[in-house]
Amino acid sequence: NAGVTQTPKFRVLKTGQSMTLLCAQDMNHEYMYWYRQDPGMGLRLIHYSVGEGTTAKGEVPDGYNVSRLKKQNFLLGLESAAPSQTSVYFCASSLARDRVAEAFFGQGTRLTVV
Amino acid sequence: DAKTTQPPSMDCAEGRAANLPCNHSTISGNEYVYWYRQIHSQGPQYIIHGLKNNETNEMASLIITEDRKSSTLILPHATLRDTAVYYCIVRGYTNAGKSTFGDGTTLTVKP
Repeated sequence: NAGVTQTPKFRVLKTGQSMTLLCAQDMNHEYMYWYRQDPGMGLRLIHYSVGEGTTAKGEVPDGYNVSRLKKQNFLLGLESAAPSQTSVYFCASSLARDRVAEAFFGQGTRLTVV
Repeated sequence: DAKTTQPPSMDCAEGRAANLPCNHSTISGNEYVYWYRQIHSQGPQYIIHGLKNNETNEMASLIITEDRKSSTLILPHATLRDTAVYYCIVRGYTNAGKSTFGDGTTLTVKP
C-alpha cells in the first residue's frame, strides 16, 4: 500500500532556480492538496485540486504553481525559488463528495533554498 | 472554516489517559471536528472525526459538547509513542480543500 508518495524527499536549491515537486496517490482520491510547514508551526494550505484538470488557491499560494493533469498526480512548481520558501512540503489526498473524508498525507519534502 | 484554539503543550504520564481540549466556538452546523497528529515531523496522521455525537475508534475517543463549541480528544492509555503534535481542525463539506492546521498541542508522554 503506497498511499501518498512524494518525490523528492530532500532538495537544496539556489535562489532563483526552479523545481517541481511530485505527489502521487494510488487510492483513486479526487481531492489533492499541497501544504507547507515552517519550523514550529502548523500546516498552511498552498493550493488544492478537487479533480483532474482543476486547481484552486489556498491560504499561501504566492510563488507557487500547480497542475493536475492526471487524477493520481499533483505537481507543485516553484518558478524562481526564494529563501522564504525554505520549508517542509506535504501533499495529501482525500475522497470527494464525502462529507466525512479524512486526508492521507505523504511523508514530506524538505526543501532548502540558499 | 471555524477557528480553533488549543493549548500549546501538555504532559501526560505513560499509561494514563490523555485529554486534549479544543475550542471551536464559531463552528457552524455543517462543520465537522477532525483530529490529526504529527509524530516527529512525519506527515500528519488522521485520528478521528465527529459532527455532534461522541465517537470512538481503535485510536481514541472524541467527546463533543452539546453546544458543539468545544471538544476533547481522549487517548485512553497513552504510550511514549503517542508523543506528538495534535491538531484539531473544523471543516465543512463545501470547504474540503481549505483546511489550515493551526499550531496544535504538543503532547509529551512521560515514563
